[in-house]
Amino acid sequence: QKEVEQNSGPLSVPEGAIASLNCTYSDRGSQSFFWYRQYSGKSPELIMFIYSNGDKEDGRFTAQLNKASQYVSLLIRDSQPSDSATYLCAVDSGGYQKVTFGIGTKLQVIP
Amino acid sequence: GAGVSQSPSNKVTEKGKDVELRCDPISGHTALYWYRQSLGQGLEFLIYFQGNSAPDKSGLPSDRFSAERTGGSVSTLTIQRTQQEDSAVYLCASSLEGWAAPAEQFFGPGTRLTVL
Repeated sequence: QKEVEQNSGPLSVPEGAIASLNCTYSDRGSQSFFWYRQYSGKSPELIMFIYSNGDKEDGRFTAQLNKASQYVSLLIRDSQPSDSATYLCAVDSGGYQKVTFGIGTKLQVIP
Repeated sequence: GAGVSQSPSNKVTEKGKDVELRCDPISGHTALYWYRQSLGQGLEFLIYFQGNSAPDKSGLPSDRFSAERTGGSVSTLTIQRTQQEDSAVYLCASSLEGWAAPAEQFFGPGTRLTVL
């Protein structure tokens, strides 16, 4: 069973702070890692993907990947109330186009 | 351009009835996925299509669930003899076929199924 683990939260951070969202995965062969954001009552939308070890930055978002530790994280700098949502980590399951989603971490940014 | 569309947006049915959910993917997307999301839960993979064939049906919960895709486009998910535990939001997603790795999935708005 290939697993993707996330703390369901909620993670509460004050406005302007850095939010750190974490994800671990079980399949050492995984190569592709995605972060989706899902607002309450809405569908998930992709915000970041990362394939290589290290950091990848896009605006206020930074994805970090450590394949040796089987760990991927998402940092959100200068958190805004509009960032309040559930963040889903998704990891490829090897072989073809399937990804496995974690349960998601609910983020609350407090004004 | 148009995104992924799903119909109906809401479906209320009685236990034991059959339901059919429809997904129209983004034009040109060869990969299509069905997921189920129960209240407060993550995305549960149901089935994946590549073109009209389904190389992975491993997520279908029981033989009451089936899906098909025709013309490499529209897909329907059928649930026979619905049970109350089938109540959930059913999400469809489509993506381009990545050459070496999964590509970004674009999700539809979902169908909220309630089984009374």
